[in-house]
Amino acid sequence: GDSVTQMEGPVTLSEEAFLTINCTYTATGYPSLFWYVQYPGEGLQLLLKATKADDKGSNKGFEATYRKETTSFHLEKGSVQVSDSAVYFCALTTTGGFKTIFGAGTRLFVKA
Amino acid sequence: NAGVTQTPKFQVLKTGQSMTLQCAQDMNHEYMSWYRQDPGMGLRLIHYSVGAGITDQGEVPNGYNVSRSTTEDFPLRLLSAAPSQTSVYFCASSYSGPQGEQFFGPGTRLTVL
Repeated sequence: GDSVTQMEGPVTLSEEAFLTINCTYTATGYPSLFWYVQYPGEGLQLLLKATKADDKGSNKGFEATYRKETTSFHLEKGSVQVSDSAVYFCALTTTGGFKTIFGAGTRLFVKA
Repeated sequence: NAGVTQTPKFQVLKTGQSMTLQCAQDMNHEYMSWYRQDPGMGLRLIHYSVGAGITDQGEVPNGYNVSRSTTEDFPLRLLSAAPSQTSVYFCASSYSGPQGEQFFGPGTRLTVL
């Protein structure tokens, strides 16, 4: 079945460091890919998405590129801030499907 | 707009008790869904609905019932609570189904003793 695998956390970085959170997927068909972010005590918010191969999603300095050949959708940010501390979820929805599959989440701590 | 609202925020139940988690949205979204969030497991889909009167099962539907009588409301019922249902529950809605952005409520933290 469809699945999403993302790197285990927690990831601890200093402010202004480069961030990569790896995400790979298994899916039939051509899924849409998402990154959601969950700040402490809140529900999830969409961070960015990509709907087809080679698309790049971007928002708030975060980027991820849909790589069909490696079935990956890695999240990157060039310079993290303390306010980026949160849990990040990679997710997919298959074309025509009504269900979203989430990864286990990666907790990010950014130190000042 | 209030967005997606959930009540209660916290609940403690005893094994065998029943309760309903409420979810409402004021964005006129047809698609609504319920997830549970457990440590190390991400979010897992319990049930979803593509419109009033239409519901279907997700990954982990056992022990939960849903109904959708209006576009706005999508309650989740636990018929006989079990300790395995201790979790954080999130309701979400979307204009274009799960292909588009899902808007999440703040969650309900449920403990079953």
